[in-house]
Amino acid sequence: DAKTTQPNSMESNEEEPVHLPCNHSTISGTDYIHWYRQLPSQGPEYVIHGLTSNVNNRMASLAIAEDRKSSTLILHRATLRDAAVYYCILRDVRAGNQFYFGTGTSLTVIP
Amino acid sequence: DAGVTQSPTHLIKTRGQQVTLRCSPKSGHDTVSWYQQALGQGPQFIFQYYEEEERQRGNFPDRFSGHQFPNYSSELNVNALLLGDSALYLCASSLRTGRDLTDTQYFGPGTRLTVL
Repeated sequence: DAKTTQPNSMESNEEEPVHLPCNHSTISGTDYIHWYRQLPSQGPEYVIHGLTSNVNNRMASLAIAEDRKSSTLILHRATLRDAAVYYCILRDVRAGNQFYFGTGTSLTVIP
Repeated sequence: DAGVTQSPTHLIKTRGQQVTLRCSPKSGHDTVSWYQQALGQGPQFIFQYYEEEERQRGNFPDRFSGHQFPNYSSELNVNALLLGDSALYLCASSLRTGRDLTDTQYFGPGTRLTVL
């Protein structure tokens, strides 16, 4: 049921911006795009979500393509604490509020 | 404000045994979802409880069952344990009737189950 495609791993230097891509070519009009991250030995943590417009919060920004078939999570200044697995998830609000996770992108932050 | 809590933290069982895992949702939340996360994989949805009933279910056998109590806390039961049931079991809570229609889920730290 995972309907997203993400790179398995990415690296970033500390204090530089990070752009984490996600492809979701089969997205429907009622699918919200969610991003969660999972730090080692912890449960997933909410990062950001959006429907059509770009979104910003204190943790990150979410850029959504005009056709909604892809999105990018942007961490403006990576810190060592941002090293985690990042999951891009589509959630259809008509089908219930369970999340279907893929394998995510493992982000390594280099000091 | 306490977040989602789960107990126990770790558990070791043998094949064929039964196990019960517990979850207390974030204060004010009324919906609990359970996920299984095998090593190196993303979480897989097991089922969701709201108003003390199972509302949605993922692709898991009926050896996996649950319960939600009037205080919104929940239990996950697994019968006839198999080696393949070894995983991190995550509980997530959300507010079904909240203004945020996307029902952002808040996850607990999980229970690590090892089946020998």
